[in-house]
Amino acid sequence: DVKVTQSSRYLVKRTGEKVFLECVQDMDHENMFWYRQDPGLGLRLIYFSYDVKMKEKGDIPEGYSVSREKKERFSLILESASTNQTSMYLCASSPLGVGGSRNEQFFGPGTRLTVL
Amino acid sequence: ILNVEQSPQSLHVQEGDSTNFTCSFPSSNFYALHWYRWETAKSPEALFVMTLNGDEKKKGRISATLNTKEGYSYLYIKGSQPEDSATYLCGRNTGTASKLTFGTGTRLQVTL
Repeated sequence: DVKVTQSSRYLVKRTGEKVFLECVQDMDHENMFWYRQDPGLGLRLIYFSYDVKMKEKGDIPEGYSVSREKKERFSLILESASTNQTSMYLCASSPLGVGGSRNEQFFGPGTRLTVL
Repeated sequence: ILNVEQSPQSLHVQEGDSTNFTCSFPSSNFYALHWYRWETAKSPEALFVMTLNGDEKKKGRISATLNTKEGYSYLYIKGSQPEDSATYLCGRNTGTASKLTFGTGTRLQVTL
């Protein structure tokens, strides 16, 4: 079974802190994604990566950066956390494989981040 | 339709009822439509990935249809059970990398 794990289920940080959210997948997937989920807004893509050291902005990248130094690990960084970044953050991965961009995404359990 | 839209926003049915939801999306630049089920305190899980106009897919009591020309997909649940209670998300892929644009989801609650 594909497994996507995230470093924390719950996290509380203070405004201005630098925050790292870690995601690890164990199925050698090329693609990895970071989403945030807010009530009434659904899942919104922050950043994605299709290869090591490659990254592309999603729909709401402002205030975030990412790092992908190894294929299995994709980190989301909040350089200076703000209260409007309080949200549920979900990581996902998918293979490039036969289906290409039609392949399903496999999600982690999410990190609920609260910024005070 | 400019974005992916799902309706209804929420739904409350009784055990045994059949139900359906709609996902509407721009019909241009269509590549694939994904359906996911997201149960509380769990990770979203893929139900279907649909690519061709007229596609119909089935998994147990859940099925889905796709109309790419008019830009919609229906998800049907036959004989709803309490374990079907979840948020159902659809996501559209335009072929640009593997990006998905999701709707806001339909939250289904099934009671005894």
